[in-house]
Amino acid sequence: TQLLEQSPQFLSIQEGENLTVYCNSSSVFSSLQWYRQEPGEGPVLLVTVVTGGEVKKLKRLTFQFGDARKDSSLHITAAQPGDTGLYLCAGGGWDMRFGAGTRLTVKP
Amino acid sequence: SAVISQKPSRDICQRGTSLTIQCQVDSQVTMMFWYRQQPGQSLTLIATANQGSEATYESGFVIDKFPISRPNLTFSTLTVSNMSPEDSSIYLCSVATADSNQPQHFGDGTRLSIL
Repeated sequence: TQLLEQSPQFLSIQEGENLTVYCNSSSVFSSLQWYRQEPGEGPVLLVTVVTGGEVKKLKRLTFQFGDARKDSSLHITAAQPGDTGLYLCAGGGWDMRFGAGTRLTVKP
Repeated sequence: SAVISQKPSRDICQRGTSLTIQCQVDSQVTMMFWYRQQPGQSLTLIATANQGSEATYESGFVIDKFPISRPNLTFSTLTVSNMSPEDSSIYLCSVATADSNQPQHFGDGTRLSIL
């Protein structure tokens, strides 16, 4: 079973601060996904990373896939209250496994 | 991406009863999955809903407790049987293409509370 360890589990920051969320595994993944989930909704896909070393940017969010395709990170620049939510990394194809999630709160 | 509708969006049920959750997609999809998200936790895969054959269950989940149907390429149901308070969770349907490297897309889930 491919396990994904996500950290930190909880993060509370002030508006304007930067943050990084980590997703680590001892297994190699052909692809990793990052989702954001808000209360009362299902997870919404943010990005898929496929190539080792790949960096993808989505406005203030930067996603990186490790060279060995075992880990990934999500960096948010100048966080805003609208970024508040549960961030989940996932991988494993159809047999998808999710990390425990990072619950982010951005205070105005 | 596909529009995924789940019904009901939430329900409160008595212990010992069963509830069937529906997942409807606005286009034909190859793969459909059911997940459970317990309070404050991440998602756990229950099973893959296979069209025209029995679902494939993950370790810790059995067909008697979570029977699944998938009569066609746009629809699936998950039944939570003989419910107990421990079954209180969000149940989520997801869909994907035939390419396992492509991401799954999720419905908004069914929030189930058992009294």
